[in-house]
Amino acid sequence: GQQVMQIPQYQHVQEGEDFTTYCNSSTTLSNIQWYKQRPGGHPVFLIQLVKSGEVKKQKRLTFQFGEAKKNSSLHITATQTTDVGTYFCAGPDSGYALNFGKGTSLLVTP
Amino acid sequence: ETGVTQSPTHLIKTRGQQVTLRCSSQSGHNTVSWYQQALGQGPQFIFQYYREEENGRGNFPPRFSGLQFPNYSSELNVNALELDDSALYLCASSLRQPGGETQYFGPGTRLLVL
Repeated sequence: GQQVMQIPQYQHVQEGEDFTTYCNSSTTLSNIQWYKQRPGGHPVFLIQLVKSGEVKKQKRLTFQFGEAKKNSSLHITATQTTDVGTYFCAGPDSGYALNFGKGTSLLVTP
Repeated sequence: ETGVTQSPTHLIKTRGQQVTLRCSSQSGHNTVSWYQQALGQGPQFIFQYYREEENGRGNFPPRFSGLQFPNYSSELNVNALELDDSALYLCASSLRQPGGETQYFGPGTRLLVL
């Protein structure tokens, strides 16, 4: 079945440094979604990418969808302590289920 | 906030017992999905309900069952609880539409099986 992999598993940065997490799917995706989960919280929807090569920005966050629609990335510029959490990518599996990666946990120290 | 609510927030059960978890969808949404999230893992799809019928199921045994009601609220039932069932159970509501759907998660129920 479809597998979604994320790297790195953990990232520890100093506040102000940049951060990037990468997501790779074993199959071509119709779309990819990104979620953020704060410690002790639940996944919160960030964005959905649909088109091949699509790039979307949300303030300091930049999301990219690969040309082959099998990979994606999330880049955070100048991290802040409020960026702490686990970032998940998820792709639709058979039907409408979402297949999540294991996530990248980001720790930001002041 | 997403408008998706879940109850209870926390629950402790013993092995072999049964549990029912509840979810209220966001207003206007007609689809609810349930996920299990073990510690340090991503959410794993259990099943989805659309218009009161199961519309897809992940790799979970039949002792995981569910219901969706006419008001689109939902229940997840787990029988014969096992220690490995300890996890955060998330429900997500969405509006079924062409081109895909965005799922909005509730705060989850943390289940501990002793």
